[in-house]
Amino acid sequence: AQSVAQPEDQVNVAEGNPLTVKCTYSVSGNPYLFWYVQYPNRGLQFLLKYITGDNLVKGSYGFEAEFNKSQTSFHLKKPSALVSDSALYFCAVRARYGQNFVFGPGTRLSVLP
Amino acid sequence: EAQVTQNPRYLITVTGKKLTVTCSQNMNHEYMSWYRQDPGLGLRQIYYSMNVEVTDKGDVPEGYKVSRKEKRNFPLILESPSPNQTSLYFCASSFLAGGPNEQFFGPGTRLTVL
Repeated sequence: AQSVAQPEDQVNVAEGNPLTVKCTYSVSGNPYLFWYVQYPNRGLQFLLKYITGDNLVKGSYGFEAEFNKSQTSFHLKKPSALVSDSALYFCAVRARYGQNFVFGPGTRLSVLP
Repeated sequence: EAQVTQNPRYLITVTGKKLTVTCSQNMNHEYMSWYRQDPGLGLRQIYYSMNVEVTDKGDVPEGYKVSRKEKRNFPLILESPSPNQTSLYFCASSFLAGGPNEQFFGPGTRLTVL
């Protein structure tokens, strides 16, 4: 069965500092991996995805994510956090030949001014 | 504007009173899906559809029904709602049924069952 873990419920970081939001997954084969962001009272917005190839994926709003196959991780990163990055972040996985998506429980990011 | 719309956005109802939450997308997407979001549990997939007349259960299908008679619409039906179905519901769509296609989400429907 597929599963996604986001080990931190909450991440706090000072504005201007680098941020990391962690994600690990369990799925057979080589999955597709996604990050989404949810702002208050809004639906989820797509940030970036890993398909294959380069382990560092660049996405929207300056975010990037690093795929590590041996550690089955897909951590979200940003070199310099903004207060406006404060939101709920979800990691998701889809098996390469599957139809359903599995989401992690979410990590709330707070960027402090 | 390309979008996924849901209606209603907010709904308070009573146990046992049948309800339907509508979902529509204007992007000609093949894949559509319903999720519920609960604190600490993230998003859990209820049902998904790979195309017209093709639907399948997600992780938490009990108590829900869906249909896909037209490509653009994917309504979620609660035949006899119960308080444990109080949740925030999201509809989503993606271009193709399989592969690395990201999903586009609707704005959500907050349902309260008393």
